[in-house]
Amino acid sequence: DTAVSQTPKYLVTQMGNDKSIKCEQNLGHDTMYWYKQDSKKFLKIMFSYNNKELIINETVPNRFSPKSPDKAHLNLHINSLELGDSAVYFCASSQGEDSPLHFGNGTRLTVT
Amino acid sequence: KNEVEQSPQNLTAQEGEFITINCSYSVGISALHWLQQHPGGGIVSLFMLSSGKKKHGRLIATINIQEKHSSLHITASHPRDSAVYICAARGLGSNYQLIWGAGTKLIIKP
Repeated sequence: DTAVSQTPKYLVTQMGNDKSIKCEQNLGHDTMYWYKQDSKKFLKIMFSYNNKELIINETVPNRFSPKSPDKAHLNLHINSLELGDSAVYFCASSQGEDSPLHFGNGTRLTVT
Repeated sequence: KNEVEQSPQNLTAQEGEFITINCSYSVGISALHWLQQHPGGGIVSLFMLSSGKKKHGRLIATINIQEKHSSLHITASHPRDSAVYICAARGLGSNYQLIWGAGTKLIIKP
């Protein structure tokens, strides 16, 4: 019974390609997030959706576009991949602002 | 200087030792998270607290809002506690934003 699941776990692709990472949560949470963990292990928020509406949109290239078809899903599309996009991307969810975060297992993206 | 600072950055200890990881922050906060990232990469939320103390098994988290400081303690540490421990603070009125510490890498030797 995976609470927050994201796929794929590993993604290796070439520069210039377009790829998607999917995230689903079965916790009934209202809020979902995408984080990028860089080489120094800092977790940086990229986007947050609350009930399918965008509430946080940090300064990320517009090549990154989140899509939330329903409140249980928040997918991340990345166009024209660049070497600097290589990182681990984590999806997370919470029941509102004051609740603990539940993370997916991460997607390690490698752009060659 | 990061608004959330953790210390130490790295900690190696023997099995059974009492472990303390510290988190200091320079902004007003409404809540603080402690998370654990396993060597395999998965992240688990351990605690979310806004005052006082919470305990779960061998883990204890405390926070002192006036001193802008939180600690995570592990009693009777075990090699399976080896992980990176991360604190993250939610600033006042921050609307879901968290300010993340850089993490403390803990290794417990048998």
